[in-house]
Amino acid sequence: QSALTQPAAVSGSPGQSITISCTGTSSDVGSYNFVSWYQQHPGKAPKLIIYEGSKRSSGVSNRFSGSKSGNTASLTISGLQAEDEADYYCCSYAGSSTLVFGGGTKMTVL
Amino acid sequence: QVQLVEAGGGVVQPGRSLRLSCAASGFTFSTYGMHWVRQAPGKGLEWLAIIAYDGTKKYFADSVKGRFTISRDNSKNTLFLQMNSLRTEDTAVYYCAKGQQWGLDVWGQGTTVTVSS
Repeated sequence: QSALTQPAAVSGSPGQSITISCTGTSSDVGSYNFVSWYQQHPGKAPKLIIYEGSKRSSGVSNRFSGSKSGNTASLTISGLQAEDEADYYCCSYAGSSTLVFGGGTKMTVL
Repeated sequence: QVQLVEAGGGVVQPGRSLRLSCAASGFTFSTYGMHWVRQAPGKGLEWLAIIAYDGTKKYFADSVKGRFTISRDNSKNTLFLQMNSLRTEDTAVYYCAKGQQWGLDVWGQGTTVTVSS
């Protein structure tokens, strides 16, 4: 149950696109199509934005998209807006009915 | 509306126990698996445990296996986390979350647990 690997921080200017990677292993990300992504603003609870790798949660902007290649999942945010500044976490099913989170990425809008 | 409300957090000494609760409303609680997730101060999210919709199956992260227990009362739409032998490293905000296809689609606001002498 080792944490998935995410970059500690990413940044982009308004209107730009950024991608956050989430690297796991063949025991989690690489073996299942159950990667989810969460957005967390300071002092708030996490919010589901992507589930099953690429499906947007209800009400989530289509500026958010998810994908996977091998043991690495990715979250792309296009048309960056100020309100996108937050921490982002990936999470994967890891077998045996367990989940594992990534360490989180602080996304800054310049 | 769909809502989860945690309660039971507080300050507790190392080695003692604490039981958290999570009251669910706005959805058919008895048909969903439920999770507990925690977040230590300034740190990331850590998945802790899941309980099946009917309470028959329970799974835990290695970090809490043998010390924490998850349970539910479907007649009262309430989820529980029993935490025993608490350590200072268990200090965190504890969230309950509703499961949906191995995603967590509804989260509570969290309850803070501080383990300190």
